[in-house]
Amino acid sequence: SQTIHQWPATLVQPVGSPLSLECTVEGTSNPNLYWYRQAAGRGLQLLFYSVGIGQISSEVPQNLSASRPQDRQFILSSKKLLLSDSGFYLCAWSAGRPFSNQPQHFGDGTRLSIL
Amino acid sequence: AQSVTQLDSHVSVSEGTPVLLRCNYSSSYSPSLFWYVQHPNKGLQLLLKYTSAATLVKGINGFEAEFKKSETSFHLTKPSAHMSDAAEYFCVVSELNAGNMLTFGGGTRLMVKP
Repeated sequence: SQTIHQWPATLVQPVGSPLSLECTVEGTSNPNLYWYRQAAGRGLQLLFYSVGIGQISSEVPQNLSASRPQDRQFILSSKKLLLSDSGFYLCAWSAGRPFSNQPQHFGDGTRLSIL
Repeated sequence: AQSVTQLDSHVSVSEGTPVLLRCNYSSSYSPSLFWYVQHPNKGLQLLLKYTSAATLVKGINGFEAEFKKSETSFHLTKPSAHMSDAAEYFCVVSELNAGNMLTFGGGTRLMVKP
């Protein structure tokens, strides 16, 4: 069966520090991968998605970036964190066939607090 | 463009009573629709999905939803609420695109009173 792992579960970082959040998927190949941010009491905002290695689409301009160095690895990064980057970050995957309307499956998230 | 509206931001029920979480959608195509549940500080768990088969969809934990095209609705129901059902619920429509991207409703927080 397929599983998705995110780490760390919680992270406290000072303003201006770098960020690296990692997400890996097991049990499937060539998945679509997604990064979301969920602000307190609000819905999910899609940040990035990827349909293959090295292919990244950005949905919202910001100081975050994403990379997909391997088929089942998705990394969210920042060179200098802002206070507004605080939130709950969720990684998700779906079956890789385009236009297939498959559900997305979510990791347990990373709670990021910027001080 | 597709959109999803969850009509209630908060719903409160007593344990053992029925649950109704309302969702309306708009879509240019025959949509795929999903309900997800999120417990505090956790990811989203898929409850059920509609993908143009039977209009009454049964999911996990006793939940079900009915797709009504004429009303553009996909309401989530459960006959008897349990304390463990207290969580945030998201109605979601799938966009027909290469990335299989989703459009989320704003969420409904379900509170269950003993």
